[in-house]
Formats: sequence, structure tokens, C-alpha cells
Amino acid sequence: QSVLTQPPSVSAAPGQKVTFSCSGRRSNIGNNYVSWYQQVPGTVPKLLMYENNKRPSGIPDRFSGSKSGTSATLVITGLQTGDEADYYCGTWDGSLSAVVFGGGTKLTVL
Amino acid sequence: QVQLQESGPGLVKPSQTLSLTCSVSGGSLNSGTYYWSWIRQPAGKGLEWIGRIYTSGDTIYNPSLKSRVTISVDTSKNQFSLKLTSVTAADTAVYYCASLRRGVSYYLDNWGQGTLVTVSS
Repeated sequence: QSVLTQPPSVSAAPGQKVTFSCSGRRSNIGNNYVSWYQQVPGTVPKLLMYENNKRPSGIPDRFSGSKSGTSATLVITGLQTGDEADYYCGTWDGSLSAVVFGGGTKLTVL
Repeated sequence: QVQLQESGPGLVKPSQTLSLTCSVSGGSLNSGTYYWSWIRQPAGKGLEWIGRIYTSGDTIYNPSLKSRVTISVDTSKNQFSLKLTSVTAADTAVYYCASLRRGVSYYLDNWGQGTLVTVSS
């Protein structure tokens, strides 16, 4: 049981927009920045977004992030087949004194 | 950019101790920019944070693993290590080391390639 809650799967067609949700509590998302990680099957997780809405160098602006209260959202526009991956949200939990993750959402590009 | 590489046995017997080392290149453990972290991922499952260490030796562990985990640092070798005692099959996973950014937020921006550790007799 992950501390942060993500839907297990989402799907969309190429070129479409897809939204990933991540919900938590005040002790984690509510009081801390959220990051997002992309893991293409068989590869290492890659930082996709940090501090809620900042993209590391090399991440295209098709990817955007936001946070409101105890929930965070990652949006991908102009979906590509190469975006098929598992997407994880993460943050610090002040009550647990630990980095926590969501269970991940598997993106299928139809 | 910091690069990390895990090393250690790929097979550990039940009840024994899992030991892994992460070698850091392209930057110093003493830079002050990062905590140094371990994460694991069982096959087909999500990410689990194990803990982190700072170059001072200050550590924080996942409460669910705290009684079995020790993370240490060797700044002379630019390495940090993980020990997990009394392992069971449930500890079988890919283990990653990563840099955990310090500051106003915590995020893992550089990851090692990961190493599969299987617990089996």
C-alpha cells in the first residue's frame, strides 16, 4: 500500500492529452514539493518534474506539473508512443520522515 | 552530472545480510548539494525508498525497514553503502542508488543503473 495514491493505469491515443493524478495528505503533498518520475519498461526511473512544476534540462514542455492542496497532477500533451511508461509521483512525508512514492500509473498509448 | 553505479552480490541467502556499494563519479560526495539515497523496486512493483545519508554520516531510514538497514559513507572512496540484515524473499528487488537533492524540496535527480538482488537459498 503506497503512501501516495495514483490510478494504476491510463490510456490515450497519440497526439492526445493525458492527465496523471497523485493524492496524499497534508504531511506529504500538502506541505512539500512533488516530483515525478518516468520509467520506461526495463529502464531506470528518470526525473521528469521537480518542485511541482519544474522540468529538468532535456524534458520537453509537453510535460507539465501542478499541485493543489494535497493533490498533484502531471499532464502530457501531444502524446507520443515513446511516452509509454510507468509514472511515479514522490515527495517528502514529514510525519514519516521519509521520501514516499505513489504506486505508479502505467500509461498506454493506443 | 553526477553518475552512480551499484555493485555487490546478486544472490543472498535468506537470513543473511545484503550488502551493496554505490560508487559516485562526476562529483564529490562532499559537495553539499545532495543526500545519498537507496531505493528498491521488486519485479513488477513500485518504488520503495530505503533511506539516505549525508556526508556527515547523518542518516534517515524508511520506518518500515529501519530496524534492518544501515547506510554508511566513505568519502575517501566517493562511495556509500547499504546493508540490509535478516533478508527474506520479500527483499528480492532491483536496488538503485541515487542522489537526493537537498534544499527546499527532495527529489532524486541522478540514478544508478540498478542491480538485481535475489534472496534465495
